[in-house]
Amino acid sequence: QKEVEQNSGPLSVPEGAIASLNCTYSDRGSQSFFWYRQYSGKSPELIMFIYSNGDKEDGRFTAQLNKASQYVSLLIRDSQPSDSATYLCAVLKAAGNKLTFGGGTRVLVKP
Amino acid sequence: EAQVTQNPRYLITVTGKKLTVTCSQNMNHEYMSWYRQDPGLGLRQIYYSMNVEVTDKGDVPEGYKVSRKEKRNFPLILESPSPNQTSLYFCASTRLAVGELFFGEGSRLTVL
Repeated sequence: QKEVEQNSGPLSVPEGAIASLNCTYSDRGSQSFFWYRQYSGKSPELIMFIYSNGDKEDGRFTAQLNKASQYVSLLIRDSQPSDSATYLCAVLKAAGNKLTFGGGTRVLVKP
Repeated sequence: EAQVTQNPRYLITVTGKKLTVTCSQNMNHEYMSWYRQDPGLGLRQIYYSMNVEVTDKGDVPEGYKVSRKEKRNFPLILESPSPNQTSLYFCASTRLAVGELFFGEGSRLTVL
């Protein structure tokens, strides 16, 4: 079992719809969770992080964390073609110095 | 401009010919790390450094070396490259909030 798992996609959503991305992790000791966006041929960039159970909203993005079920999700509201990218989930263990990434979910937003 | 700079961006080399990929950051970050990215395998950590002269292995350190003699630089050394080290390499840094990484633009390495 991989430490951090994501559906590779592609997740195809129409423009204006909500894109829902999921990520599960295996280590119950994980404390911090991050979402990175990576455009094709570019480097990853941090878009959201969440440390506590519940929802965290930032603009059109909402991160959701459920530590009991060991999953974290990212919602993209009012999806735009510019949101077409690969989204990487990353997990940091407690007192850890290593960030572990999932394989990424490719999102395609169609006009 | 705050940035992480990697060089070279593209390199084709042959098996066994030593090479170094440089990484430099101008943000005075303590933490630096190297990742490789391969299709279907995602980003995997090679080595990381918490500060000058402090380095540690990541998940896939075999075949690589690093050094941290200065805070701003964290070179990745391939002593004897092999074809399975063909990959896209990213350097990243942060000010001790380990998850909030700033990435360089990437170095695409091909070993023939």
